[in-house]
Amino acid sequence: AQSVTQPDIHITVSEGASLELRCNYSYGATPYLFWYVQSPGQGLQLLLKYFSGDTLVQGIKGFEAEFKRSQSSFNLRKPSVHWSDAAEYFCAAQGNRDDKIIFGKGTRLHILP
Amino acid sequence: NAGVTQTPKFRILKIGQSMTLQCAQDMNHNYMYWYRQDPGMGLKLIYYSVGAGITDKGEVPNGYNVSRSTTEDFPLRLELAAPSQTSVYFCASSYSWLDEQFFGPGTRLTVL
Repeated sequence: AQSVTQPDIHITVSEGASLELRCNYSYGATPYLFWYVQSPGQGLQLLLKYFSGDTLVQGIKGFEAEFKRSQSSFNLRKPSVHWSDAAEYFCAAQGNRDDKIIFGKGTRLHILP
Repeated sequence: NAGVTQTPKFRILKIGQSMTLQCAQDMNHNYMYWYRQDPGMGLKLIYYSVGAGITDKGEVPNGYNVSRSTTEDFPLRLELAAPSQTSVYFCASSYSWLDEQFFGPGTRLTVL
């Protein structure tokens, strides 16, 4: 069955430190991949997406993600986090035009001052 | 543009009551979605619509109904509320099937 796994439920990093949030997918073929962010009390906002081409994708708010086919992964990174990055992050995948999007269970990011 | 709007923001229902969650978008998107979000479970798709007059079931449709009479509006109906429907409900819309989804602020529903 198709699935998206975010292995870390919570991640805590210090402000200014680098960040990597993990995402693995299980699909028959490479799906379309997304990262969304949800600030407290808000809806989700798209950070970036990968369809094809360059495996390093740049997004908004200084985030980037790297697609690695061999590891079925699409990890989200940021070189230096800010307190405002504290939020929940969702990885999502969609197989093709007929498939519905599947969200991972989310990783909640905590920032230490 | 207001984007995607949802009303109400909060609601408490008694078991067996009915209600409609409203969702509207002003971006002329054909695609609209309803999700529920439960703690630690991510988002689950309830229903979606690819255009006015066309709706289809998502992953967890039981206990819900939708209609799409206009491009702008996509209401979600709960006919007989149950405690299992306590959740946060998000409406979203997108230009196309694989495009960015724009989310509303959510409705927090409690069924007691």
